[in-house]
Amino acid sequence: NAGVTQTPKFRVLKTGQSMTLLCAQDMNHEYMYWYRQDPGMGLRLIHYSVGEGTTAKGEVPDGYNVSRLKKQNFLLGLESAAPSQTSVYFCASRSLTGGASFSNQPQHFGDGTRLSIL
Amino acid sequence: AQRVTQPEKLLSVFKGAPVELKCNYSYSGSPELFWYVQYSRQRLQLLLRHISRESIKGFTADLNKGETSFHLKKPFAQEEDSAMYYCALSGGSNYKLTFGKGTLLTVNP
Repeated sequence: NAGVTQTPKFRVLKTGQSMTLLCAQDMNHEYMYWYRQDPGMGLRLIHYSVGEGTTAKGEVPDGYNVSRLKKQNFLLGLESAAPSQTSVYFCASRSLTGGASFSNQPQHFGDGTRLSIL
Repeated sequence: AQRVTQPEKLLSVFKGAPVELKCNYSYSGSPELFWYVQYSRQRLQLLLRHISRESIKGFTADLNKGETSFHLKKPFAQEEDSAMYYCALSGGSNYKLTFGKGTLLTVNP
């Protein structure tokens, strides 16, 4: 199993351009998440999804949109990129199973996408 | 609201010395706590979760509900332990993870 795969690994954009980051997982996980990682800020949740066709806002959703048309894929879109969105983006997935206390199921992370906005 | 505090941004120790990475949390319910590790330019990997009460790579962490802490400890640090360590809390109906800002551990030879 590949686990969580993110594409692309690197990208440089100009301000105002748009792009989509793809996250794919082959573990049949229900929950998927997009984070951004910035120096001194840790990981901050952008958007998440609890199942196919559903999405929800996280801590820092502005400027981003997401879609979960298929269970295994979670797409993060930047409609009009801004320099403040220069960051490393991580996708993660998590199993729903585990009984009443499944919150202890860990999240599995991808390798990250390094995005620079000029 | 969930909150995780890692008071030290940087921690530097010598090889063979004990190391403790601090983590304090704020959560009104019963928390699930994790430690994740990120080696240079790699993905985050799960190191420990409190529910398992396990020791991984010599690291242990005990949940202290009275002090609302989940400190990560290792008696003898190794150079290969140098990495960024994140404490994370899971709680609530949406099972989001709330991360601390991370502690960069450097183990010097």
